[in-house]
Amino acid sequence: KAGVTQTPRYLIKTRGQQVTLSCSPISGHRSVSWYQQTPGQGLQFLFEYFSETQRNKGNFPGRFSGRQFSNSRSEMNVSTLELGDSALYLCASSQNLVSNEQYFGPGTRLTVT
Amino acid sequence: GQQLNQSPQSMFIQEGEDVSMNCTSSSIFNTWLWYKQEPGEGPVLLIALYKAGELTSNGRLTAQFGITRKDSFLNISASIPSDVGIYFCAGINAGNNRKLIWGLGTSLAVNP
Repeated sequence: KAGVTQTPRYLIKTRGQQVTLSCSPISGHRSVSWYQQTPGQGLQFLFEYFSETQRNKGNFPGRFSGRQFSNSRSEMNVSTLELGDSALYLCASSQNLVSNEQYFGPGTRLTVT
Repeated sequence: GQQLNQSPQSMFIQEGEDVSMNCTSSSIFNTWLWYKQEPGEGPVLLIALYKAGELTSNGRLTAQFGITRKDSFLNISASIPSDVGIYFCAGINAGNNRKLIWGLGTSLAVNP
């Protein structure tokens, strides 16, 4: 079974721009979560989607948003990029809202200059 | 954001040695997960724990869910060079829906 895939793997943007990242979960998994990973803060939860609805949200500003499609694929968007948004953005999928086991993709490395 | 206390921060050991690391929390968790991350990759789930006192193995890895529900331990026996990476603990507490709370990781280096 294919794992979680994320595109693109690497991205360079300038301050003020916006970016969209994509995630395809493991086949059959319906929950998708997004995390931001930085050396200083570690992994921080952004949000979780299930059945095209946001179920949980972390403590990030409104510039960070996401959505999920009917095939469970998910996108996250960051608008008005800031230098501090440079990070590895990880997507994780789980089977449903009952399973706590989350399986991660390789991440998208975003650099904001 | 909230984080778990994970220690040690880094370890440098000889091949064949055993390794122990742990995570503690100020609040009670109902799930503990251990992950390993290698450069350029996302975290890979190693072991999941759901019950206080539970001891679970995955090959040379053994993890335990502390009986206080505020801590967890991971042991690696007879380390080998491919054990190199960063090991993360993550937990979910009852009052936090399904948000994983993470430790900052234990970086493991193995000298062949």
